[in-house]
Amino acid sequence: DIQMTQSPSTLSASVGDTVTITCRAGRSISTWLAWYQQKPGKAPKLLIYKASDLQTGVPSRFSGSGSGTEFTLTITSLQPDDFATYYCQQYHTYSRTFGQGTKVEIK
Amino acid sequence: EVQLVESGGGLVQPGGSLRLSCAASGFTFSRHAMHWVRQSTGKGLEWVSGIGTGGDTNYADSVKGRFSISRENAKTSLYLQMNNLRDGDTAVYYCVRDTGYWYFDVWGRGTLVTVSS
Repeated sequence: DIQMTQSPSTLSASVGDTVTITCRAGRSISTWLAWYQQKPGKAPKLLIYKASDLQTGVPSRFSGSGSGTEFTLTITSLQPDDFATYYCQQYHTYSRTFGQGTKVEIK
Repeated sequence: EVQLVESGGGLVQPGGSLRLSCAASGFTFSRHAMHWVRQSTGKGLEWVSGIGTGGDTNYADSVKGRFSISRENAKTSLYLQMNNLRDGDTAVYYCVRDTGYWYFDVWGRGTLVTVSS
């Protein structure tokens, strides 16, 4: 399985900040990467697919970039609704794997 | 509205069995591959099993030989038969829709499976 490693594990930020989360793959996955947002007690929600394509209905303050083994999720002008845990997921192989998550908390 | 609703979770002893169901609505179920993904406190999100539109199945190594995924298109339902359950199978199990490009765009609310004596 392809290991996915996210950093940081926790990130403290304020409303209006720009935050960046990094996801590294154990081997090249081209751009077969998705990002999800999860709030407590809720299912994950798709934000970005193919590393940088925004899912319909997701605010444009979310953006993704990267290819190969290194990827980033950036949230510009953080909003109160954005405090949540974010996961990356590779789908280069059928056995999809997820990062361990990055919790974005209020500073 | 596109919706996935899981059921069948509960408390089961180690070695026991459980069958999860997922009722799909709001989309053409037969045209989508479907998956089960679980989430436990210790191991985060883990893909468990998937079934294609033609019924082809795949499993994570951790459940191969113990779990069986199936679908019934006429009932727009997905199932997961879980046998010989272990403590490590304790998790919330999500039913998930595959877009057709291998990433997941719709998730159910999940059903909790607790394996404990």
